[in-house]
Amino acid sequence: DIGMTQSHKFMSTSVGDRVSITCKASQAVSTAVAWYQQKPGQSPKLLIYSASYRYTGVPDRFTGSGSGTDFTFTISSVQAEDLAVYYCQQHYSPPPTFGAGTKLELK
Amino acid sequence: DVKLVESGGGLVKLGGSLKLSCAASGFTFSDYYMSWVRQTPEKRLELVAAINSNGGTTYYPDTVKGRFAISRDNAKNTLYLQMSSLKSEDTALYYCARHDYYGSAWFAYWGQGTLVTVSA
Repeated sequence: DIGMTQSHKFMSTSVGDRVSITCKASQAVSTAVAWYQQKPGQSPKLLIYSASYRYTGVPDRFTGSGSGTDFTFTISSVQAEDLAVYYCQQHYSPPPTFGAGTKLELK
Repeated sequence: DVKLVESGGGLVKLGGSLKLSCAASGFTFSDYYMSWVRQTPEKRLELVAAINSNGGTTYYPDTVKGRFAISRDNAKNTLYLQMSSLKSEDTALYYCARHDYYGSAWFAYWGQGTLVTVSA
């Protein structure tokens, strides 16, 4: 199985800041990475697929980039409602596998 | 609106069995691949089963192969997960998830989950 590593379990930020979350695949996955947001008590919500495609209705302050093994998810100007856990997932080869998550917190 | 509602979770003994259901609405169920994804107490997400739109093809990771069985009833818009020989590591919140479009392997919609607790 392909391992997905999110090296930061927590990241601190302030409202209005630009923040980037990284994810590294254990082998090359082309651009087959999705990103999800999970708020407390809620199910995950799809934000990005195929590394950089924003899902329907997702605000444009959320962007994704990367290819091969290294991927980045960026929020251009953090809003209070963006405080959540963010997960990456590779969709290159079965089984789809997820990173352990990065929790975005206020400084 | 797309809606996925899981049911059937509960407390079960080691080695026991449980059947989960997921009632789907708001979309043409028979057009989409579906999966069960679980979230462990440590908050890790793991795919446990996937099924294609007509139910003819299924996928399981090695961790559950031979113990879990996914199925669907397109006439009833319902997805199922039969779990047997349950282990403590199967304790998790089980989500029903709809794939985005035909052949895609990312999950566009998730239910609210049903909790499975396996105890000694």
